[in-house]
Amino acid sequence: SQQGEEDPQALSIQEGENATMNCSYKTSINNLQWYRQNSGRGLVHLILIRSNEREKHSGRLRVTLDTSKKSSSLLITASRAADTASYFCATKETSGSRLTFGEGTQLTVNP
Amino acid sequence: KAGVTQTPRYLIKTRGQQVTLSCSPISGHRSVSWYQQTPGQGLQFLFEYFSETQRNKGNFPGRFSGRQFSNSRSEMNVSTLELGDSALYLCASSFDRGLQDGYTFGSGTRLTVV
Repeated sequence: SQQGEEDPQALSIQEGENATMNCSYKTSINNLQWYRQNSGRGLVHLILIRSNEREKHSGRLRVTLDTSKKSSSLLITASRAADTASYFCATKETSGSRLTFGEGTQLTVNP
Repeated sequence: KAGVTQTPRYLIKTRGQQVTLSCSPISGHRSVSWYQQTPGQGLQFLFEYFSETQRNKGNFPGRFSGRQFSNSRSEMNVSTLELGDSALYLCASSFDRGLQDGYTFGSGTRLTVV
């Protein structure tokens, strides 16, 4: 079953704009990870944020985590057409070893 | 370094048959996890192996099984295939079971059951 819910399900923006995706989850977590998937291929790991961290940056990516609200957001700045993909959040629970994925956000960046 | 290698990339099977999928993790990674991705259910956890031992199993019927070899390569097997087993099967490897770093995924095996 899906732990997370992602919002929005689909997002269409112009190149150069920022894209923000949100993720909510239900259980206590060890960390939260974001992945990108292009056209039904394998997932690419983007960034991991631990439960004791509030914000993390990697290049044009910024991730925030609010464990009190059980939510996270992924911000992609200055988006490019190549950023067009599905983005998934995944939680690693404190008690388990599995990743539990959200339903994903389909991002389309128009040139 | 080489990534996670999954074979075959595409597979077409008939209902009732069985299938074996293979995954070679990144060198040095001892954790291998399997996921099923379908349009209706999304990404679902199948199982995780670490040092040849199954550490966790998802809510799938016993027709789904797997194993890991001493070189960390893993296989998953699905017996008595059903139409609903059509999916993208993804393998992911990790050095530390995803506790500090994320997982590296393979490109997947696209299984179609007819």
